[in-house]
Amino acid sequence: DVKVTQSSRYLVKRTGEKVFLECVQDMDHENMFWYRQDPGLGLRLIYFSYDVKMKEKGDIPEGYSVSREKKERFSLILESASTNQTSMYLCASSFYVRGNTEAFFGQGTRLTVV
Amino acid sequence: SQQGEEDPQALSIQEGENATMNCSYKTSINNLQWYRQNSGRGLVHLILIRSNEREKHSGRLRVTLDTSKKSSSLLITASRAADTASYFCATDQSSGDKLTFGTGTRLAVRP
Repeated sequence: DVKVTQSSRYLVKRTGEKVFLECVQDMDHENMFWYRQDPGLGLRLIYFSYDVKMKEKGDIPEGYSVSREKKERFSLILESASTNQTSMYLCASSFYVRGNTEAFFGQGTRLTVV
Repeated sequence: SQQGEEDPQALSIQEGENATMNCSYKTSINNLQWYRQNSGRGLVHLILIRSNEREKHSGRLRVTLDTSKKSSSLLITASRAADTASYFCATDQSSGDKLTFGTGTRLAVRP
């Protein structure tokens, strides 16, 4: 079974802190994604990566950056956390097979910025 | 921007009844997928339908796709209390392999 593991289920950070959310997948997937989920807004794509050291902005990249130094690991960085970044963060990975991209998700990290 | 919009936002049914959820999207797609999310957890893939398919079945799930109307429906037959969850459609657009999700339907199945 594919496993996508996020380093924390719950995090509480202070405004202005630098925050790292880590995600590791064990299926040798090329694609990795970071989404945030807020009530009434569904999942919104922050950043994604097609390969090591490659990254592309999603729909809401402002205030975030990412790092993909190894294929299995995709990190989301909040450079200076703010209260409006309180949210559920979901990491996903996928393979690309003949145009069909099924995503596998981690269990989510609920981040609270106080 | 949201590619998919689910309808209804919330649905409450009795165990044993069928549940139907709809999804509309805006741009051309390679495929459309449905995912399920139990409260406070990650999403789990349920079923994928390609743009050249019109209907697909998997167990108690039936998905239809109408590309002319840019819409899809998910039918869960003979619902169970364990089906209580949020359901999301996601589209894999023709321009790439990132998934864009809708806002979801919250399904509650009463025992």
